[in-house]
Amino acid sequence: QSVLTQPPSASGTPGQRVTISCSGSSSNIGSNYVYWYQQLPGTAPKLLIYRSNQRPSGVPDRFSGSKSGTSASLAISGLRSEDEADYYCAAWVDSLSALVFGGGTKLTVL
Amino acid sequence: QVQLQESGPGLVKPSQTLSLTCTVSGGSISSGSYHWSWIRQPAGKGLEWIGRIYTSGSTNYNPSLKSRVTISVDTSKNQFSLKLSSVTAADTAVYYCARGKEGHDYGDYVHYYYYMDVWGKGTTVTVSS
Repeated sequence: QSVLTQPPSASGTPGQRVTISCSGSSSNIGSNYVYWYQQLPGTAPKLLIYRSNQRPSGVPDRFSGSKSGTSASLAISGLRSEDEADYYCAAWVDSLSALVFGGGTKLTVL
Repeated sequence: QVQLQESGPGLVKPSQTLSLTCTVSGGSISSGSYHWSWIRQPAGKGLEWIGRIYTSGSTNYNPSLKSRVTISVDTSKNQFSLKLSSVTAADTAVYYCARGKEGHDYGDYVHYYYYMDVWGKGTTVTVSS
């Protein structure tokens, strides 16, 4: 069981907007930034969102992140077939001096 | 740009020590405010952060693995390494090395940030006799 809770799956049709949630606690999301990683099949994870809502250079603005209290969300607008991947949230835990991940959400583009 | 490459045995016997090395190319391991991290992923499962090291040698480990993990750095070779002792089949996974960027944002509150922005391709380690 992961410290951060994500739905195991999500789906949408091309062009749709989908959101993936990430739920934590005051010791992780509630007091620190949230990060999102995209893992395409058979590849290493790639940083998608940092500092809860910032996109690295090269990440399309179709991807956006938000945080409220002890929860966070990743939104993908204008869904495309190449967005089909696993998505992981992560947050730092001060009391453990450790990074924790969510269990991951498999996004299917129908 | 910076690239990372994991290397090491793909097969380790139970109770032995798993040893992996990550070679950093395209930049110095000593430059910038970076930590150097290890993450693993069992087949079909999620990501697990193992730990990190700063070039000063300071480390942080996942509490669930702390008693078995050692991460070290060799700045002369631009490499950092992972040792995981007393392995079992549960340690079978793809092991990734990554560069971690950290710092603080100062505003109304001080916010710490730490994220992995460059990853290696990963190496599969199987624990089996």
